[in-house]
Amino acid sequence: KAGVTQTPRYLIKTRGQQVTLSCSPISGHRSVSWYQQTPGQGLQFLFEYFSETQRNKGNFPGRFSGRQFSNSRSEMNVSTLELGDSALYLCASSLYPRGETQYFGPGTRLLVL
Amino acid sequence: GQQLNQSPQSMFIQEGEDVSMNCTSSSIFNTWLWYKQDPGEGPVLLIALYKAGELTSNGRLTAQFGITRKDSFLNISASIPSDVGIYFCAGPPPGGGADGLTFGKGTHLIIQP
Repeated sequence: KAGVTQTPRYLIKTRGQQVTLSCSPISGHRSVSWYQQTPGQGLQFLFEYFSETQRNKGNFPGRFSGRQFSNSRSEMNVSTLELGDSALYLCASSLYPRGETQYFGPGTRLLVL
Repeated sequence: GQQLNQSPQSMFIQEGEDVSMNCTSSSIFNTWLWYKQDPGEGPVLLIALYKAGELTSNGRLTAQFGITRKDSFLNISASIPSDVGIYFCAGPPPGGGADGLTFGKGTHLIIQP
């Protein structure tokens, strides 16, 4: 069974631009969660989607948004990029919302210049 | 929010040595997860624990769900070079909180030749 895939793996943007990241969950998994990982803050929860609905949201500004499609694939968008948005963005999938066992993708490394 | 305290922060060991690390919380957790992350990759699930007192092995790895439900331990026996990485404990906040998984800050394992 294929794992969680994320595209692109690496991205360089400049301040003020926007970016869209994509995640395909494990086949059969309907819940997708997004996390931001930085050296200073560690892994922080962004939001979770299940059945095309956002179920939970972490403490991030409205510039961070996401969506989920009917095939469970998910995208997250960051608008008006800031230098501090440079991070590894991780997607995790699980069978159910607030699924206790989440499986992570390889991440997208975003660098904002 | 919930915090998971991992110790030690770093471990410098010789190949072949056994490794022990732990994770504690001020709150009760109903599930403990242990992940390993290699540089530039997403966390990989090693072991999941669902019941207080549970002891589970995965090859040379053994993890235990503390009887108080406020701690968990991970042991690696006879370490090898590929064990190098960052080990995270994680768990869903008690009470089905809306913040995704809570992660510890990680234990960096470094194996000296």
